[in-house]
Amino acid sequence: KAGVTQTPRYLIKTRGQQVTLSCSPISGHRSVSWYQQTPGQGLQFLFEYFSETQRNKGNFPGRFSGRQFSNSRSEMNVSTLELGDSALYLCASRNLDTDTQYFGPGTRLTVL
Amino acid sequence: AQSVTQLGSHVSVSEGALVLLRCNYSSSVPPYLFWYVQYPNQGLQLLLKYTTGATLVKGINGFEAEFKKSETSFHLTKPSAHMSDAAEYFCAVKTSYDKVIFGPGTSLSVIP
Repeated sequence: KAGVTQTPRYLIKTRGQQVTLSCSPISGHRSVSWYQQTPGQGLQFLFEYFSETQRNKGNFPGRFSGRQFSNSRSEMNVSTLELGDSALYLCASRNLDTDTQYFGPGTRLTVL
Repeated sequence: AQSVTQLGSHVSVSEGALVLLRCNYSSSVPPYLFWYVQYPNQGLQLLLKYTTGATLVKGINGFEAEFKKSETSFHLTKPSAHMSDAAEYFCAVKTSYDKVIFGPGTSLSVIP
């Protein structure tokens, strides 16, 4: 099976812009979670989607949003970008039978 | 609230020496516990997990971890370090609300 794929892998934006990141889970996985990884804050949970519905949400401002499509692909959007949004954004799909998450390679977002 | 601490942000070992990475957690319910490894510019890869049953869990690449409820610990070990083990290691706990909380990570260096 193909692994979790994330596009794009690298992105450079300027403050005030918005960005959309995409994640395609492993075939058959209906749960997708997003994480932000920074040197200062480590790995922080953003949100989880299951069958197109948000199940859980972390402590991030409303500028961070996401959605999931019927084919389980997910997108996350960050509006009004700030310098502090520079991070590696990781997507993980979950096998609900084994309760195991599989991570994609991440999207490296740089905000200038 | 659940939390994870990892003692030592950086650990150095000689090639062939024992690897011991420490993880302590707090959880109000029986936890699911995980160890992940992250190589530079890559996503996280699951090394092993504890859900229920046997407290000594064996994972990939020769790693194992032991769940000790009385000590609220889940330390990761490997009898003999290899150069390819140099990476960032994350301990994680799954909460009762299905969120996965990650520790701050431990960077492992292997000295030839």
